[in-house]
Amino acid sequence: DGGITQSPKYLFRKEGQNVTLSCEQNLNHDAMYWYRQDPGQGLRLIYYSQIVNDFQKGDIAEGYSVSREKKESFPLTVTSAQKNPTAFYLCASSSGLSGANVLTFGAGSRLTVL
Amino acid sequence: DAKTTQPPSMDCAEGRAANLPCNHSTISGNEYVYWYRQIHSQGPQYIIHGLKNNETNEMASLIITEDRKSSTLILPHATLRDTAVYYCIVRVVGTGTASKLTFGTGTRLQVTL
Repeated sequence: DGGITQSPKYLFRKEGQNVTLSCEQNLNHDAMYWYRQDPGQGLRLIYYSQIVNDFQKGDIAEGYSVSREKKESFPLTVTSAQKNPTAFYLCASSSGLSGANVLTFGAGSRLTVL
Repeated sequence: DAKTTQPPSMDCAEGRAANLPCNHSTISGNEYVYWYRQIHSQGPQYIIHGLKNNETNEMASLIITEDRKSSTLILPHATLRDTAVYYCIVRVVGTGTASKLTFGTGTRLQVTL
């Protein structure tokens, strides 16, 4: 089945450590996105990528980094510079620039900083 | 993108129709209305979208008022599995930009027995 796979589902990190969240899609989608969700809140866009080897900052990019070396993969690194990294992270993809804004989401990764 | 306003929560009895309203009074002529839902601790799921005509698919119906300033998502026979947060989003299509959708806090629908 086509879809988006995020891993790990749960992750614990000590303060000062970088952590990388994986996102893989087999939908042949051009665009990919990372969102952050805090309890009781909506989703906030961290980074997005429209094509391979290109990505743009979203609304809350500080303390995060991404890469897009392959169409299928869009990993997110939460760096030690992110002051409040504990959150639910969601990866999504869509069919491209002129797509109908239909995003397919993964199941999410829940990061807890100890 | 136009701002949307939704009630924070609603209840619906199982088997009844759930009617979720959304106000988007500043919507532009080329902006579509999208609905997504998020079941607890899962990723959001696309439901339906429309421009100005009413739309229906296997999940729901979307009714957009003639002036396009508001819309209603209808789940015709709600079940317990429809308990979720429902997001109403307004966005243009085909502008050459990525689909940077803005998800607010939505409406929390609780379906009860």
